Amino acid sequence: QVQLQESGPGLVKPSETLSLTCGVSGYSISSGYWWGWVRQPPGEGLEWIATIHHTGSTYYNPSLKSRVTISVDTSNNQFSLNLTSVTAADTAVFYCARHDGSGYYFDYWGQGTLVTVSS
Amino acid sequence: EIVLTQSPGTLSLSPGERVTLSCRASQSVNNNYLAWYQQKPGQAPRLLIHDAFSRATGIPDRFSGSGSGTDFSLTISRLEPGDFAVYYCQQYGSSVYTFGQGTKLEIK
Repeated sequence: QVQLQESGPGLVKPSETLSLTCGVSGYSISSGYWWGWVRQPPGEGLEWIATIHHTGSTYYNPSLKSRVTISVDTSNNQFSLNLTSVTAADTAVFYCARHDGSGYYFDYWGQGTLVTVSS
Repeated sequence: EIVLTQSPGTLSLSPGERVTLSCRASQSVNNNYLAWYQQKPGQAPRLLIHDAFSRATGIPDRFSGSGSGTDFSLTISRLEPGDFAVYYCQQYGSSVYTFGQGTKLEIK
């Protein structure tokens, strides 16, 4: 059974960089699949942020692309998200998730982690 | 970017009833690449339907998806207490994946 677990600070100051890691168990990232990040502001809907393949290929939501970097660490079976220059509008629950075999819909999700941007 | 509009925003229904949720796209979704997710409070979304009408593993046949092009639907044939949640559609037919704003099913 594939399991994903987000980790990182729950509080980030405005203008700083939000950094999260998603640890994967039950499946080796280096074996394939695409892996992504989705966020959900409190009480709001879902927004796709970025996606990465185990080979390092990436694609980003254009609305966030200038501030986002997604990376993969196959040796530790995890992938990460960096979001720079955060503001209060970036406060959200961040989910990591696995795409299906073609890199489309999300079939496995982490439980999510709330990141609050505040001084 | 394809905008997905879900309607209605909230539905109040009783267990046992049948419900159809709508997801309309601002332009045609390539290959009908549309998924539906269920999200309960404090939980991650759960995949229900992919490719417009294919049920995900373990999803009961009370859930069915239909539609093509710009108009898609999710039907729950007989509501059970555990079905009261928020439902989101997502398109992956373009390189920018987008979600609808959600439809909340609440118990009447």
